[in-house]
Amino acid sequence: SAVISQKPSRDICQRGTSLTIQCQVDSQVTMMFWYRQQPGQSLTLIATANQGSEATYESGFVIDKFPISRPNLTFSTLTVSNMSPEDSSIYLCSVVPSGAYNEQFFGPGTRLTVL
Amino acid sequence: DAKTTQPPSMDCAEGRAANLPCNHSTISGNEYVYWYRQIHSQGPQYIIHGLKNNETNEMASLIITEDRKSSTLILPHATLRDTAVYYCIVRTRNQFYFGTGTSLTVIP
Repeated sequence: SAVISQKPSRDICQRGTSLTIQCQVDSQVTMMFWYRQQPGQSLTLIATANQGSEATYESGFVIDKFPISRPNLTFSTLTVSNMSPEDSSIYLCSVVPSGAYNEQFFGPGTRLTVL
Repeated sequence: DAKTTQPPSMDCAEGRAANLPCNHSTISGNEYVYWYRQIHSQGPQYIIHGLKNNETNEMASLIITEDRKSSTLILPHATLRDTAVYYCIVRTRNQFYFGTGTSLTVIP
């Protein structure tokens, strides 16, 4: 399995500001993903973080709002830009470990509240 | 993308088997069925996955119908710690698309 950490674990932010969430994995992984879970809802895939190239976004999510970086095989960041209260959610990173294509592991999540 | 349908909630008595159904009638031949659970807004935890055959591990069993249009997750002896939201997911290429899940409550 892969051990995934996210920073910060939670934050309270003012509307109009931006927050960058970090995802660190203890081993190299082939794929990394970012999800959003709004209060009381299921998980929604935001994008696939591609190493060394632009992320692949799902319908309804755009790079200007959710810029993503993935500089190497163990680290990625998601920025929530120009935040509004509707962005209050849990943001989760998930990974597919190298050599374990059929497995996907999730981080503990970052709980974001926008006032 | 194949969609999944699950009952929104279920109860199960502690010590009894919990049988959680999932419909995935639009599944393609090479798509896997995965089950995850989420306890109180923690990150989802992997339980089991399968393609065609029934699967069993230390946590659960997965029964997939012959036509692959539905499956059942079985927790053989449910405990209070199994209270969680259980998600049935059809894996499309590398992406997981979550449905609404089943909220399982294990009753003492």
